[in-house]
Amino acid sequence: EDQVTQSPEALRLQEGESSSLNCSYTVSGLRGLFWYRQDPGKGPEFLFTLYSAGEEKEKERLKATLTKKESFLHITAPKPEDSATYLCAVPLNTGFQKLVFGTGTRLLVSP
Amino acid sequence: NAGVTQTPKFQVLKTGQSMTLQCAQDMNHEYMSWYRQDPGMGLRLIHYSVGAGITDQGEVPNGYNVSRSTTEDFPLRLLSAAPSQTSVYFCASSSAGTDRYEQYFGPGTRLTVT
Repeated sequence: EDQVTQSPEALRLQEGESSSLNCSYTVSGLRGLFWYRQDPGKGPEFLFTLYSAGEEKEKERLKATLTKKESFLHITAPKPEDSATYLCAVPLNTGFQKLVFGTGTRLLVSP
Repeated sequence: NAGVTQTPKFQVLKTGQSMTLQCAQDMNHEYMSWYRQDPGMGLRLIHYSVGAGITDQGEVPNGYNVSRSTTEDFPLRLLSAAPSQTSVYFCASSSAGTDRYEQYFGPGTRLTVT
């Protein structure tokens, strides 16, 4: 069964304390992996697409990397405004537009 | 551009009532989807559409109907609301090109069924 698992469920950091979030998947024939950010009471906001192992994408303090089994979202010197839930998703092999999402990592960055 | 809009923001229904959640997008996107988000479950796909007149079922379609008569609108109908349908519902759209998985989400509708 296609599955996406994110860890940790929640992460509390001090401002400036770098860390990484993990997304592991069991989809065969990966056709991409996607990271989204979700603020409380809002819809997810697209961050990155990664298509092949070894690929990296960066945006401000965030860097996403991909291996054959997992993806990492590295947060460097986070600020309080980085506090959000981070979701990853992969396309199902049986569906053209179908994404399966992980349950997310809730990140809280304290000043 | 307003992006993806959803109405209402909040709704309370009694068991057995029906209602329609509205979703509209102004980006001329071919693809539109409905998801529900429950604590500890992540986002789950209910129904999706790859263009006007074409819809298909997602992971959790039971109890919901959709239709797509225009490119812009993709309403979700609850036929007979049940407490298990208490959730936050998100509509999303994306283009049909290589960035088709870059989905734009609406702000959500929080539905409570009593």
